[in-house]
Amino acid sequence: QKEVEQDPGPLSVPEGAIVSLNCTYSNSAFQYFMWYRQYSRKGPELLMYTYSSGNKEDGRFTAQVDKSSKYISLFIRDSQPSDSATYLCATVSTGTASKLTFGTGTRLQVTL
Amino acid sequence: GAVVSQHPSWVICKSGTSVKIECRSLDFQATTMFWYRQFPKQSLMLMATSNEGSKATYEQGVEKDKFLINHASLTLSTLTVTSAHPEDSSFYICSARVAAGGFGTQYFGPGTRLTVL
Repeated sequence: QKEVEQDPGPLSVPEGAIVSLNCTYSNSAFQYFMWYRQYSRKGPELLMYTYSSGNKEDGRFTAQVDKSSKYISLFIRDSQPSDSATYLCATVSTGTASKLTFGTGTRLQVTL
Repeated sequence: GAVVSQHPSWVICKSGTSVKIECRSLDFQATTMFWYRQFPKQSLMLMATSNEGSKATYEQGVEKDKFLINHASLTLSTLTVTSAHPEDSSFYICSARVAAGGFGTQYFGPGTRLTVL
């Protein structure tokens, strides 16, 4: 079993829709949770990170962590064609020696 | 936000030659740098972790004699693919981490696409 599971998609939604992207993880030591966006042939870009359980909002993006169920989500409101990309969830435990553990990424396509 | 650059952005080389890829953190000092490779439609695979002035720590299955990593300073790391072969063709991405207490935000470079003929 992978430490972080993520549906690879692709996920296709019309412009303006609310998008829900999800990951599950198995290691309860994970404390920080990140969402990266990666456009084709580019490096990942950090969108948001959260610590422990709870919600965090930044513009049209909301990250949500539920540590009791080991479930992390990213919601995108009013989705735009420019949101079309691969979204990678990632987790890390505490300590500077720790490494990111990535999900496989979900490809999102927002259509006009 | 923090910026990480990579050079070159793409390179084509003949089989048997060596290729060096540079990774720089432009506006911050990185305590740790990471090298990943990514195949089409797949997630990032960590190759190695390096701290400035120390030998890199390679992930299982990654040949350290083939993928040479030099972390010369807090802003520069290089990856040299030695005696490259077509199976080494991939997208190589570096990442730099800023340490802040128990958590270090990790920023990624734009990637280098290597094609070995």
